[in-house]
Amino acid sequence: EVQLLESGGGLIQPGGSLRLSCTASGFTLTSYAMSWVRQTPGKGLEWVSAISGSFTYYADSVKGRFTTSTDSSKNTVYLQMNSLRAEDTALYYCTKGSANYRPYYFDYWGQGTLVTVSS
Amino acid sequence: EIVLTQSPGTLSLSPGEKATLSCRASQSVGSSDLAWYQQRPGQAPRLLIYGASSRATGIPDRFSGSGSGTDFTLTISRLEPEDFALYYCQQYGASRTFGQGTKVEIK
Repeated sequence: EVQLLESGGGLIQPGGSLRLSCTASGFTLTSYAMSWVRQTPGKGLEWVSAISGSFTYYADSVKGRFTTSTDSSKNTVYLQMNSLRAEDTALYYCTKGSANYRPYYFDYWGQGTLVTVSS
Repeated sequence: EIVLTQSPGTLSLSPGEKATLSCRASQSVGSSDLAWYQQRPGQAPRLLIYGASSRATGIPDRFSGSGSGTDFTLTISRLEPEDFALYYCQQYGASRTFGQGTKVEIK
């Protein structure tokens, strides 16, 4: 059974850093593209980043501030978030892609981890 | 960026009725790279439809998707109590964008 378990969210001040983790089970993480998608009441669902093999992709809104990576030994994907802004406040979901190459849809989602950026 | 516009914003129906949800793209979605997701309160989105018309594993056949190019439709043939939820479309052909969602509520 495929499962994705996110962790690492919390309250952080503007300008701070946070690292989200997503541990996968039921499949080999590096065989599929993995993405982070965030959700806010105001902007809805927004794709944030993806990692596919050694390639990474980012939304313009986070490029240069967020970095995604994987640790195959832990079957875990990470989202390092730096220079956080109030507008980064959201529920962050880890998602599994249907393939390791585009085009792919998100066939499994974690339960999400909440990031709140506020002073 | 491809912008997806879903309509209506809210659909008020009774159990057993048919629901028709629309998703319109600002430009053609190549190869029908369009998915639909359901989100129940307090839960993560769940994949319903991919490739515009293929049902995901375990999805009941009362859910169907259709369309191509810029116009796509999700149809729920007979609403069950658990179908009252939020529905999102997403294109995954050119980067990845989501519609703003349609809420299906009990009338």
